[in-house]
Amino acid sequence: QVQLVESGGGLVKPGGSLRLSCAASGFTFSDYYMSWIRQAPGKGLEWVSYISSSNNYTSYADSVKGRFTISRDNAKNSLYLQMNSLRAEDTAVYYCAGKNDYFDYWGQGTLVTVSS
Amino acid sequence: DIQMTQSPSSLSASVGDRVTITCRASQGISNSLAWYQQKPGKAPKLLLYAASRLESGVPSRFSGSGSGTDYTLTISSLQPEDFATYYCQHYYSTPWTFGQGTKVEIK
Repeated sequence: QVQLVESGGGLVKPGGSLRLSCAASGFTFSDYYMSWIRQAPGKGLEWVSYISSSNNYTSYADSVKGRFTISRDNAKNSLYLQMNSLRAEDTAVYYCAGKNDYFDYWGQGTLVTVSS
Repeated sequence: DIQMTQSPSSLSASVGDRVTITCRASQGISNSLAWYQQKPGKAPKLLLYAASRLESGVPSRFSGSGSGTDYTLTISSLQPEDFATYYCQHYYSTPWTFGQGTKVEIK
């Protein structure tokens, strides 16, 4: 069955960096868009970024543009999110999701906490 | 950016009730709308896409309708497992945005 498993979350100081990973299985990863979506504690959902199936197009929410970079390795069935210059307002559960511009598949999420 | 406004933000209902949640886009989105259900501590689950297409495996008591800027999610007969928070999401153009959510609670 389809599985998306995120990793890499944790506690980081403001201004720090973190790299999230998402391991995909159970579907043809290389055929589909993938996205990162986040949810701050007790808040709603916020789309963060997406990447096309072949790596040639990316898009970002204004709130993370210039600080976050999405990438993928289709040979490893993996999605990544490099997060730099982290701020307190980036604290959230980060979900890996796919496979279209709506989200059929979701991981269980990984918590990122930005605090001194 | 297209803003999505959901209403109500919360509602109380009983098992067996018909429940309607609305989502209004700040501009026309040509049925590029999805609905999700989220239970506490869990990832969201896709219910409908293209405004009215039911995702495989989702019970038929869930339905969606609408056009242009106004869309509706209807649960025809609320079941105990339906108490959750529901989100709409447009995918007409990036940035894709979600509504603020509607929490469906037990009356």
